[in-house]
Amino acid sequence: NAGVMQNPRHLVRRRGQEARLRCSPMKGHSHVYWYRQLPEEGLKFMVYLQKENIIDESGMPKERFSAEFPKEGPSILRIQQVVRGDSAAYFCASSLWGDTGELFFGEGSRLTVL
Amino acid sequence: AQSVAQPEDQVNVAEGNPLTVKCTYSVSGNPYLFWYVQYPNRGLQFLLKYITGDNLVKGSYGFEAEFNKSQTSFHLKKPSALVSDSALYFCAVREYTSTNAGKSTFGDGTTLTVKP
Repeated sequence: NAGVMQNPRHLVRRRGQEARLRCSPMKGHSHVYWYRQLPEEGLKFMVYLQKENIIDESGMPKERFSAEFPKEGPSILRIQQVVRGDSAAYFCASSLWGDTGELFFGEGSRLTVL
Repeated sequence: AQSVAQPEDQVNVAEGNPLTVKCTYSVSGNPYLFWYVQYPNRGLQFLLKYITGDNLVKGSYGFEAEFNKSQTSFHLKKPSALVSDSALYFCAVREYTSTNAGKSTFGDGTTLTVKP
């Protein structure tokens, strides 16, 4: 029973390149969340998705960031034209229920922008 | 808007002593409260949650938390700390409303260090 799978675990990009982070939720979970953790900081909510729907993207920067959770395949967090400030750990979590369910986290994708 | 405060960046205790990690919250309706633990370079792991019912909630690894509605608190406790409990602890609140759609808001985390 695999947990939340994130890849890549580590990603290095130069300024201006694109970063794509993938997340496969736990089996049977239809709620997916993306969080960003900057060094020495807490978790900041980015986006909440269900299959083919963005439920809440209030934490997503207005430009360069996008997320999707297609009917088939993993959820994707895409960062275009990366800047040094995008360097962070990006965590994906899934839950069985959208209200009372606890979150199950992946191991994170650590993005370094040179 | 929902929010969580963890007033202590760092908590230090000696092994075998009781520990408390503090958390207060703010929501407009009924809160769903959670504690998670994070070890270095890992994802967060769920410890326990309060949804409804008994105010004292028991979770993994001997941890428990007490929901106090009047003080809007949900402090994490353990009667006897272990060195292996040393980690970063996050409190989170979730409020399901028509505009909130179930996202969890996390505190900034508290680093717990248990010394032998």
